[in-house]
Amino acid sequence: QVQLVESGGGMVQPGRSLRLSCAASGFTFSSYDMHWVRQAPGKGLEWVAVIWSHGSDKFYADSVKGRFTISRDNSKNTLYLETNSLNSEDTALYYCARDGYGGYGDLDYWGQGTLVTVSS
Amino acid sequence: QSALTQPPSASGSPGQSVTISCTGTSSDVGAYKYVTWYQQHPGKAPKLLIYEVTKRPSGVPDRFSGSKSGNTASLSVSGLQAEDEADYYCGSYAGSNNWVFGGGTKLTVL
Repeated sequence: QVQLVESGGGMVQPGRSLRLSCAASGFTFSSYDMHWVRQAPGKGLEWVAVIWSHGSDKFYADSVKGRFTISRDNSKNTLYLETNSLNSEDTALYYCARDGYGGYGDLDYWGQGTLVTVSS
Repeated sequence: QSALTQPPSASGSPGQSVTISCTGTSSDVGAYKYVTWYQQHPGKAPKLLIYEVTKRPSGVPDRFSGSKSGNTASLSVSGLQAEDEADYYCGSYAGSNNWVFGGGTKLTVL
């Protein structure tokens, strides 16, 4: 069955970096676009970034553009999110999600999330 | 990218129907057929309920249905059940490889 497992979250000081990972299994990872979506504590969902199946096209929300980098290793079935210059507004549960139905944001499978807490 | 507008709360009694609205603009909801709805129970990941405005993934009961008129999309839940109590989020493609979500609606089954 499809499974997405995020890791790499933790508590970090403002201005520092974290690399999040999302291990995929149960489907042909290289055939699907993948997204990162975050949810601040007690708040709603916020789209963060997308990477096309082949990995060469990447797009970001304005709130993270220039600070976050999405990437993938199709040989390892793994999605990444490099987060730099973190600030308190980046504190959130970060989900990876598969774009399942045609590449327009139909997120049919989600991981359980990895928590990033930015605090001094 | 401004968030889509959803009512913060909605409620209904078991067996009743409820509709949740999601208002965007002519640049997102009004421009594309790529509107999605997600259900999120406390402490759980979101679950896709509706995609492309009206389509249901396999396994989603037909009690859940979606529609759109102009810049506003709607999720209808008929025959409310206790397990429908959850947060519901709409999402939309916003063009130029950007996506936007609504602020969420907490559905209470009375």
